[in-house]
Amino acid sequence: GQQVMQIPQYQHVQEGEDFTTYCNSSTTLSNIQWYKQRPGGHPVFLIQLVKSGEVKKQKRLTFQFGEAKKNSSLHITATQTTDVGTYFCAGPREYGGSQGNLIFGKGTKLSVKP
Amino acid sequence: KAGVTQTPRYLIKTRGQQVTLSCSPISGHRSVSWYQQTPGQGLQFLFEYFSETQRNKGNFPGRFSGRQFSNSRSEMNVSTLELGDSALYLCASRTIPDLGELFFGEGSRLTVL
Repeated sequence: GQQVMQIPQYQHVQEGEDFTTYCNSSTTLSNIQWYKQRPGGHPVFLIQLVKSGEVKKQKRLTFQFGEAKKNSSLHITATQTTDVGTYFCAGPREYGGSQGNLIFGKGTKLSVKP
Repeated sequence: KAGVTQTPRYLIKTRGQQVTLSCSPISGHRSVSWYQQTPGQGLQFLFEYFSETQRNKGNFPGRFSGRQFSNSRSEMNVSTLELGDSALYLCASRTIPDLGELFFGEGSRLTVL
């Protein structure tokens, strides 16, 4: 069945270092969403990408959607302790042209050492 | 605007019991989805409701069921609990299905002993 995969599973960085997480789908996606879950919290929406090759920035966060719309990445520049959490990508289940529920990757857990 | 509200936040049950979890979506949101979150499997889709109808269902056994009321509030039920059902159950809402971001509640943490 349709799958969304993320790597790495864990990433430990020193504060100030950069961080990147990668998301790959087994199928072409109409859009991809990114969420962040702080420790002990719930997932919170960060952004949605729709267009092939799209790049969006939110302060130190840069999101990319691949040309084939099957992969995406999130890059954080100069990480801070406030960036700690698990980052999830999610794509809609495709039903022969229709969309269904969001399928989530297993996430990348980021820890930042001050 | 109030967020998604889930009750109870924490509960402990024993094997064989059943549990009902409740979710009140953001006002105006008519689509409610449920996810099970465990350390090993991540976020797994349970089901989605819209206008009191189940639109999609994930790959879970029939012990997992849900419903949605006319005011868009939703409940999910798990019968004959097993140890492996211990998880964080997250409810998420959005205005209509297939459009836009999911707004998650804080979850109901179920422990099965």
